[in-house]
Amino acid sequence: RKEVEQDPGPFNVPEGATVAFNCTYSNSASQSFFWYRQDCRKEPKLLMSVYSSGNEDGRFTAQLNRASQYISLLIRDSKLSDSATYLCVVPTGGFKTIFGAGTRLFVKA
Amino acid sequence: DTGVSQNPRHKITKRGQNVTFRCDPISEHNRLYWYRQTLGQGPEFLTYFQNEAQLEKSRLLSDRFSAERPKGSFSTLEIQRTEQGDSAMYLCASLAGTDTQYFGPGTRLTVL
Repeated sequence: RKEVEQDPGPFNVPEGATVAFNCTYSNSASQSFFWYRQDCRKEPKLLMSVYSSGNEDGRFTAQLNRASQYISLLIRDSKLSDSATYLCVVPTGGFKTIFGAGTRLFVKA
Repeated sequence: DTGVSQNPRHKITKRGQNVTFRCDPISEHNRLYWYRQTLGQGPEFLTYFQNEAQLEKSRLLSDRFSAERPKGSFSTLEIQRTEQGDSAMYLCASLAGTDTQYFGPGTRLTVL
């Protein structure tokens, strides 16, 4: 089993739709989790941090389920500008950080 | 622009040559990561520095790869005897006390 696994997508949704991505992790000791956004040919940028059960920032909601070892990212009222790859990030107990392969999202008019 | 710079932005080299990349992190950030990213994959951890100390290195990293951060500021990543499989985007990220990593624009390496 990979340390971090994500829905590969791509997800193709119309503007205004709600879309959710899942990410599962194998290291039960991980305490903090992150979602990064990466636009085509650009560097990743932090979207949200998740330290407890969840986090909400505007149209974006991240939830953590420690028992099942997954985190999810929910995007409401999708915008064209939300089109990107969303990377799930799980730091290990040491200094290593594991990125998932990413979920590609295309929002269409 | 996150404030992290990487040079060069692109590097084309022939198989067997050595290459060196540089990363200049945000000045007050004492922590620094190097990653490698190939098409369709997320960044793959290579190594981690805290100040000038290299505290973790990927077991997947061959002996051809070496990284330094001599004064705890900029960092270099060297690949010796490059192979075609080394072609990738090499990303550097810096951070301070939080876990938010600020990435540079990357160096795209092509090995012919």
